[in-house]
Amino acid sequence: AQTVTQSQPEMSVQEAETVTLSCTYDTSESDYYLFWYKQPPSRQMILVIRQEAYKQQNATENRFSVNFQKAAKSFSLKISDSQLGDAAMYFCAYEIIRGSQGNLIFGKGTKLSVKP
Amino acid sequence: EPEVTQTPSHQVTQMGQEVILRCVPISNHLYFYWYRQILGQKVEFLVSFYNNEISEKSEIFDDQFSVERPDGSNFTLKIRSTKLEDSAMYFCASSETSGDYGYTFGSGTRLTVV
Repeated sequence: AQTVTQSQPEMSVQEAETVTLSCTYDTSESDYYLFWYKQPPSRQMILVIRQEAYKQQNATENRFSVNFQKAAKSFSLKISDSQLGDAAMYFCAYEIIRGSQGNLIFGKGTKLSVKP
Repeated sequence: EPEVTQTPSHQVTQMGQEVILRCVPISNHLYFYWYRQILGQKVEFLVSFYNNEISEKSEIFDDQFSVERPDGSNFTLKIRSTKLEDSAMYFCASSETSGDYGYTFGSGTRLTVV
């Protein structure tokens, strides 16, 4: 069974500093997508970044980047120059490509606090 | 930027009553989904819908649940006879293709069953 593990229930970072949120997953599949979603207090799920497993290059979106280690099944999120608005729950999610439509498997989330 | 719209934002219902949660996906999206998040727990997949039929569903999506796209713009989740444990945040999502570019989620409907 596919599982997604976020080992850090809570993290804290100083404004303007860098923080890394970790995520590991378990799968026997070779083709899949990985996502990071942000859930602020408003509860909306906002896509932060996505990665296709067949791409070796790590995805980057402005201040957000990932460290994708396929062999280790690790998909960590780095937030650079942290801002107060980054404070939220962050969910790592996984989806196999073949035979799946929307069946995202989420981790339990990491609550990120940003200190001014 | 296009949004997925969900109504109502909060619904309170008596146990045993039927509820319908409504969603308006992004207009050019072809795939639609429902997820739920029980308070303090992870987000869980319920069902995906494509070409006017269910394409995949989870174990959670039992006979008390149904989905419909009644008019080409709305996408609804019906819970036939609500139970206390159905209290959760329900998220609708849509995608243009099957996951290639990620999923756009709505803001959710908080369902409280009393």
